[in-house]
Amino acid sequence: SAVISQKPSRDICQRGTSLTIQCQVDSQVTMMFWYRQQPGQSLTLIATANQGSEATYESGFVIDKFPISRPNLTFSTLTVSNMSPEDSSIYLCSVLGGGTSGGLSSYEQYFGPGTRLTVT
Amino acid sequence: DAKTTQPTSMDCAEGRAANLPCNHSTISGNEYVYWYRQIHSQGPQYIIHGLKNNETNEMASLIITEDRKSSTLILPHATLRDTAVYYCIVRVLGYGNKLVFGAGTILRVKS
Repeated sequence: SAVISQKPSRDICQRGTSLTIQCQVDSQVTMMFWYRQQPGQSLTLIATANQGSEATYESGFVIDKFPISRPNLTFSTLTVSNMSPEDSSIYLCSVLGGGTSGGLSSYEQYFGPGTRLTVT
Repeated sequence: DAKTTQPTSMDCAEGRAANLPCNHSTISGNEYVYWYRQIHSQGPQYIIHGLKNNETNEMASLIITEDRKSSTLILPHATLRDTAVYYCIVRVLGYGNKLVFGAGTILRVKS
C-alpha cells in the first residue's frame, strides 16, 4: 500500500489567514484528491489535483478559496485561504494508483492521516 | 454515482460476526461495491470491493445479492478494534473514478 504523509498534522490558525497543507506519497500515483471532513460529518471531496494542470473542483468549492498545486506525481499542496471558523475541519489527501505501477492498485484509493485545522 | 443507504449505527458483541447491510438499488452494471472504514481520528481504510460475486479477504467478506441492489459486509469475528465508521460506496472501477462518501454506519463492538 502507499505511504502518505501530510504536514502539518494539526494547526490552530487565526481568522483571515491562510494555511498550506502538504501531501507526500512514497510512490508515483496517477490521481491525487483532497477531501474535507467537518466535525461529526462524512468526507466531502474538494478537488482532484491534476499533475501539470489546474485542479478539478467539486461543486461548492472554488480555486480562490482552496488553491491546489501538484508539481509532480508524488506531491501536492492544498491551501485554505482567508480562513473562517467554518473552515475548521480535517483535511485529507488521497491517492489512486495507476495499474500496478509501484505496487499500487488502481482499484484501491489510499488516504493520508489528515490535517486537523482549527480556526479561531 | 449511485447512492447507498446504510443504517446509522449498529452494535456487535466482541467475538461475534458483524453484518453490515447496504442498499444500492440504483447501481449500474459497471459499478463496483466498495467498503471502507474510518477508525476515530484516522484516514479511511480500504476493506474490500466486488462487482457481483461474493468476495473474501483477510479482513472481511462481501456478499452481494444476485440483483446487485444490496450487499452485506461481514466481519467474521469482531474485535474492539473494529469499532469504526463503515462506508459502503459504489463507483466505476478505473482511472480517475473518485470515491464519494455517504454517511456510513457507526459500528460499536462491545465486550
